[in-house]
Amino acid sequence: AQSVSQHNHHVILSEAASLELGCNYSYGGTVNLFWYVQYPGQHLQLLLKYFSGDPLVKGIKGFEAEFIKSKFSFNLRKPSVQWSDTAEYFCAVGGGADGLTFGKGTHLIIQP
Amino acid sequence: DGGITQSPKYLFRKEGQNVTLSCEQNLNHDAMYWYRQDPGQGLRLIYYSQIVNDFQKGDIAEGYSVSREKKESFPLTVTSAQKNPTAFYLCASSMFPNTGELFFGEGSRLTVL
Repeated sequence: AQSVSQHNHHVILSEAASLELGCNYSYGGTVNLFWYVQYPGQHLQLLLKYFSGDPLVKGIKGFEAEFIKSKFSFNLRKPSVQWSDTAEYFCAVGGGADGLTFGKGTHLIIQP
Repeated sequence: DGGITQSPKYLFRKEGQNVTLSCEQNLNHDAMYWYRQDPGQGLRLIYYSQIVNDFQKGDIAEGYSVSREKKESFPLTVTSAQKNPTAFYLCASSMFPNTGELFFGEGSRLTVL
């Protein structure tokens, strides 16, 4: 069975700080990896995705993630966060007919 | 606008009552999903459907039921057998064959009094 582990459940940063959110997965098949974001009061939306090719993936709003196959990791990064990045972030893995398996989420708070 | 519409946004029910959450999509997606979101637990899959008139149980299907009579509609019924129904319910859809990318509705928050 596939599983996703997000290391940090709550993260508090100041504006302009660098961000890295950890994500490790276990999955026996071809890996499709995702980061979703849920801003307060809004629906879940895709931040970025990895299917194949370049392991460094760029997404919206300056976010990027690196797929490291040997470490089963797909960490999310942003060099300089903004107050508007306050949200809940979910790592997910999947690619089959049964949708995605999500991690438990990381609640990120950016202090102005 | 193309997207997924969930209704109602907020719902209260008494213990012992069944309640149905609506999910409609106009994205022409074949696959639809129901997830449950609880604080600190992420999203857990309840049911999914790849085609009309077919659906499969997810990880936490007990106490829930679904139907898929039309491509664009995938309602979820939370039955009185669900022991802890208070939660945030999310409907999603994806194209088939499934690349994994899901498109989500805004969710329905169910509170059992």
